[in-house]
Amino acid sequence: DTAVSQTPKYLVTQMGNDKSIKCEQNLGHDTMYWYKQDSKKFLKIMFSYNNKELIINETVPNRFSPKSPDKAHLNLHINSLELGDSAVYFCASSPGRSNEQFFGPGTRLTVL
Amino acid sequence: DQQVKQNSPSLSVQEGRISILNCDYTNSMFDYFLWYKKYPAEGPTFLISISSIKDKNEDGRFTVFLNKSAKHLSLHIVPSQPGDSAVYFCAAILPGTYKYIFGTGTRLKVLA
Repeated sequence: DTAVSQTPKYLVTQMGNDKSIKCEQNLGHDTMYWYKQDSKKFLKIMFSYNNKELIINETVPNRFSPKSPDKAHLNLHINSLELGDSAVYFCASSPGRSNEQFFGPGTRLTVL
Repeated sequence: DQQVKQNSPSLSVQEGRISILNCDYTNSMFDYFLWYKKYPAEGPTFLISISSIKDKNEDGRFTVFLNKSAKHLSLHIVPSQPGDSAVYFCAAILPGTYKYIFGTGTRLKVLA
């Protein structure tokens, strides 16, 4: 059983489109995260939810909106996609603050 | 401003020898540090962690050393195996936050 899953694994789309990436964890964790890994391989946190409440919201364009329908899911919706949004997006979850985070396999987003 | 730095983008080591991966940080307030390993097309996976109140933590072939005065962290892998070939990220957490700050990664290649 996959602990943290993301769909889709690959996403190719045109500039200006709106797209969503879904994330689900079956570990019973309270906290979930979205990271972006850009072309320089920096892994940067974007958002984090704890028990469906937003606790981290980094300096991210408001075209990006996370949605947590329940503790096990944290989806990422991106409006008006731009070329610079091309990256690998990772979802992660953890049981607490200083515990290890479990990462999903990543979604490679390519904006043409 | 990159608060966590891994100055060696790559490292090659012979199988059976020791691999030493280094990480420097600038913020003395970090209270917890972790190492993650990442294979291509997969998410990072947790390896080992250390609290700022300790200077060493060991788990099998992996040992993490923390030198707070130098703001330096290192991961030792002994003996290195070909399956250890991956990108290694160090990460740090500020007290009271869930926010991991990742280094840029070091690609380790273990030669058979």
